[in-house]
Amino acid sequence: AQSVTQLDSHVSVSEGTPVLLRCNYSSSYSPSLFWYVQHPNKGLQLLLKYTSAATLVKGINGFEAEFKKSETSFHLTKPSAHMSDAAEYFCVVSQVNDYKLSFGAGTTVTVRA
Amino acid sequence: DGGITQSPKYLFRKEGQNVTLSCEQNLNHDAMYWYRQDPGQGLRLIYYSQIVNDFQKGDIAEGYSVSREKKESFPLTVTSAQKNPTAFYLCASSGPITISTNEKLFFGSGTQLSVL
Repeated sequence: AQSVTQLDSHVSVSEGTPVLLRCNYSSSYSPSLFWYVQHPNKGLQLLLKYTSAATLVKGINGFEAEFKKSETSFHLTKPSAHMSDAAEYFCVVSQVNDYKLSFGAGTTVTVRA
Repeated sequence: DGGITQSPKYLFRKEGQNVTLSCEQNLNHDAMYWYRQDPGQGLRLIYYSQIVNDFQKGDIAEGYSVSREKKESFPLTVTSAQKNPTAFYLCASSGPITISTNEKLFFGSGTQLSVL
């Protein structure tokens, strides 16, 4: 069994300040972990993924996430928020060779000018 | 350009009516999926298909049906048995079967279904 908990339903930051989106997971086996972003009226886009290689994963648009097995966490960060980062973010877990993905409930990010 | 096309963008269903959501991909992907998105609940898997003429139930398959007669197409029917169909529906696909078949999902733009 696998599941994902996104610890914040809504995060509000000022432009130029750091962004932290928290994600905890549970998985019976070694997981694959992903972060997806959904902008208003658009489809989902893959930000980054972890598949048992380096624990610090760099993604698009300046985002990165760190896999911490001891804490079962995969938090997403960005050093400096931009207005275009306002969107819904989903943390996703799956297992290798398994088509089923489990999505978190999502975190809405708003960016203040 | 390759991608996934969902139609219609908005769909309204009357009580007791079956409706079908279309999903077409030209990415030559083997696997296709249907997800339902409700506010505060993330995406939940309805059905998925790994190859033509084969599909499996996801976590919330009750009240839905699918078919996979062609590699490019994976339509979803919301039947009258689905008592709470109002939601945003996303279709997705992923690439050829490899060790890491869940490497990357490509998503459509979604269909918003509402009940009249």
